[in-house]
Amino acid sequence: EADIYQTPRYLVIGTGKKITLECSQTMGHDKMYWYQQDPGMELHLIHYSYGVNSTEKGDLSSESTVSRIRTEHFPLTLESARPSHTSQYLCASSEPRIETQYFGPGTRLLVL
Amino acid sequence: RKEVEQDPGPFNVPEGATVAFNCTYSNSASQSFFWYRQDCRKEPKLLMSVYSSGNEDGRFTAQLNRASQYISLLIRDSKLSDSATYLCVVRVNTGGFKTIFGAGTRLFVKA
Repeated sequence: EADIYQTPRYLVIGTGKKITLECSQTMGHDKMYWYQQDPGMELHLIHYSYGVNSTEKGDLSSESTVSRIRTEHFPLTLESARPSHTSQYLCASSEPRIETQYFGPGTRLLVL
Repeated sequence: RKEVEQDPGPFNVPEGATVAFNCTYSNSASQSFFWYRQDCRKEPKLLMSVYSSGNEDGRFTAQLNRASQYISLLIRDSKLSDSATYLCVVRVNTGGFKTIFGAGTRLFVKA
């Protein structure tokens, strides 16, 4: 099993609230990713990081931001949640050359 | 056109059946290929990598055809537990490397 964790697993929150989704991995992977996935739909890459102090935007435009202060930690923040942010958010990490991605269990976000 | 295309299915098959999925990719700079499995409401997990010579892991066989730019996954003797969405994943060399996930093919194996 992959050592990558996400909290919370489920979050129901009101519009306008600031939220931070946590992602941690203990595998020492440099590369980390955030994906957004609606039920029955494909994964969309919203952010990724090559390592500490590196953050890049993914293919899907997102109002969220990320930070990478420590190798093992890659939190995602929404400054003001809206109903359109309702989705599942999946964090992943990978080894630098093999590129197999290991996913966390995901956070299901519902914004009312 | 999407860079990685899969038949969304669903494929509904009886237990014991053999089922095959294809996936096509458009970028000739694609270098590595994978199949992931995603169960309902769960995260994707690596099923197997796909090597140029083809490879087998128990009931699962993956093949790559670079000339036609497609990869395939064959599942023999389907089990109920094989029911899931199968994601085709391609790693492309674009200067740096980029990993592209297909939208997935849904499989339902019925008793």
